[in-house]
Amino acid sequence: DIQMTQSPSSLSASVGDRVTITCRASQGISNYLAWYQQKPGKVPKLLIYAASTLQSGVPSRFSGSGSGTDFTLTISSLQPEDVATYYCQKYNSAPFTFGPGTKVDIK
Amino acid sequence: QLQLQESGPGLVKPSETLSLTCTVSGGSISSSSYYWGWIRQPPGKGLEWIGSIYYSGSTYYNPSLKSRVTISVDTSKNQFSLKLSSVTAADTAVYYCARGLTIFGGHGWFDPWGQGTLVTVSS
Repeated sequence: DIQMTQSPSSLSASVGDRVTITCRASQGISNYLAWYQQKPGKVPKLLIYAASTLQSGVPSRFSGSGSGTDFTLTISSLQPEDVATYYCQKYNSAPFTFGPGTKVDIK
Repeated sequence: QLQLQESGPGLVKPSETLSLTCTVSGGSISSSSYYWGWIRQPPGKGLEWIGSIYYSGSTYYNPSLKSRVTISVDTSKNQFSLKLSSVTAADTAVYYCARGLTIFGGHGWFDPWGQGTLVTVSS
């Protein structure tokens, strides 16, 4: 099975900072990757699918890129409401594995 | 607006079977455009995909749970269900149901998700 890793596991940044989270697949998955945001105590929310397509209603400060094995989620200007754990998920084939998550908070 | 709601016992004894139902409202579970999935999250930990089902009944299961998992669909009630047998404390988690988009005939991303239900395995 394809394994998903994320780095860093956690980060602390200032409001307005550019934040980048990396997701890596152990084998190529083309662009079959989604990103989810889970705020503390809340339900996961879809941010990005097909590696770079922003889900409707998601602020434009979020963006995704990558293909194959390496992917990134970027928050161009971190806001207080972006405090959350971010998960990537592959969906090219079963099992539809999630990454371990990256916890983002404000410095 | 599509909504999903999990229901079932919040406490299950070790070695017994965990049973949950997800009721879909605001849309048809029989749509060919979607899969329907179960995902769980142990307290303080990450997300684990359990399995998914198509309205026709075809299923995908996580290999790590496959021997214990059964997912079924009841199109007449617009519901799908999860059964996880021989549970242990390690199965304690928030269990989410979610809609998965069908893309190129296969399984896509999950959106939206239900609110989740905490199931505790304890005697």
